[in-house]
Amino acid sequence: GEDVEQSLFLSVREGDSSVINCTYTDSSSTYLYWYKQEPGAGLQLLTYIFSNMDMKQDQRLTVLLNKKDKHLSLRIADTQTGDSAIYFCAESKGTALIFGKGTTLSVSS
Amino acid sequence: GAVVSQHPSWVICKSGTSVKIECRSLDFQATTMFWYRQFPKQSLMLMATSNEGSKATYEQGVEKDKFLINHASLTLSTLTVTSAHPEDSSFYICSASSSSGRVGNEQFFGPGTRLTVL
Repeated sequence: GEDVEQSLFLSVREGDSSVINCTYTDSSSTYLYWYKQEPGAGLQLLTYIFSNMDMKQDQRLTVLLNKKDKHLSLRIADTQTGDSAIYFCAESKGTALIFGKGTTLSVSS
Repeated sequence: GAVVSQHPSWVICKSGTSVKIECRSLDFQATTMFWYRQFPKQSLMLMATSNEGSKATYEQGVEKDKFLINHASLTLSTLTVTSAHPEDSSFYICSASSSSGRVGNEQFFGPGTRLTVL
């Protein structure tokens, strides 16, 4: 099966919170990442979490890690129209990254 | 921040021709560069990892004779798609790794190159 899985689409209203979920398979991953890709652009590292952490907060972003269930989530508080993009979860595998298929976040005003 | 550029951003070529894509780290030295391929609504699939001055390491299923990778300097890697066919049409993204990123060996991504083979 896929190494990293995430739902493909999420639609929210401006001002609401968005939660994007991800499951991964490699328990030895040192870091887990969230990347953002805007249309026609490359990937931008949004945030990351070290595997021995449960939670990381960075302004409007909160990352939760459940290592037992190999579940990672990204919460975006007060979602704005500018947050509309594709969000990729990734796990580290040696020097490489293994990506999920990406979740398209659509924010309506 | 670390910037990675790709050139060209979009290329259309005829079937059977070869296409070269450049990936440059503009303000840092990258000992390792990665090449990914992205299909619509699909994840980025790692094609190969290249270290400066040595041969690239290809992922299983990626033809090394078809996708030639050269990493001649710490700021430049090239991907050449040889004898391109329509099924090679895709979005190719490179990334460069720097030990000075926020997280160990953080990868910085280029904007991607859209290849269309007619």
